Amino acid sequence: GEDVEQSLFLSVREGDSSVINCTYTDSSSTYLYWYKQEPGAGLQLLTYIFSNMDMKQDQRLTVLLNKKDKHLSLRIADTQTGDSAIYFCAERAGGYNKLIFGAGTRLAVHP
Amino acid sequence: DGGITQSPKYLFRKEGQNVTLSCEQNLNHDAMYWYRQDPGQGLRLIYYSQIVNDFQKGDIAEGYSVSREKKESFPLTVTSAQKNPTAFYLCASSTELPQVSYQPQHFGDGTRLSIL
Repeated sequence: GEDVEQSLFLSVREGDSSVINCTYTDSSSTYLYWYKQEPGAGLQLLTYIFSNMDMKQDQRLTVLLNKKDKHLSLRIADTQTGDSAIYFCAERAGGYNKLIFGAGTRLAVHP
Repeated sequence: DGGITQSPKYLFRKEGQNVTLSCEQNLNHDAMYWYRQDPGQGLRLIYYSQIVNDFQKGDIAEGYSVSREKKESFPLTVTSAQKNPTAFYLCASSTELPQVSYQPQHFGDGTRLSIL
């Protein structure tokens, strides 16, 4: 079946790098996404990666994909207090644009 | 500015009452979606619509109903049959254009529904 798993909480010091991990089960996934949710708000697309890529970099964000292990990670360089939020990993599976979401990782950034 | 507007931001439901959550988009997207978010859980798909006048059940459709009479609008009704409706509801939309291969879903700011 389809399942996406993430650790629920991560705490980092301001200025350090954050690494949020995600595992998925559907080997037919075409795209994998990272979304950010701030308190009381909707989800904001941060970045995505196509399943035939290993890495994608976008300013402070680096996405790594290990298809063999079905493991996805999001690295945020120079983490700031404004990065405090819940981060969701999602895979696109199925014939239509169906997204399967993980439970979200709450990132807390402290001074 | 293009986007997705959900209203109201907060909604309270009495026992036995149906309530309707509004979702409007001006992104010219064909597909629209409704998700439910509970604390500590990911988003679960309630209903989706790929085209006007057509919609499909998602993973947790029981106790909910939708309509898609216009491309821009996809209202969700939470019926009295939904026994545990307290949650954060998110509406999303996406393009179906093949040239936009990654077809991200864009989200509204959500409606928080509570039981009185």
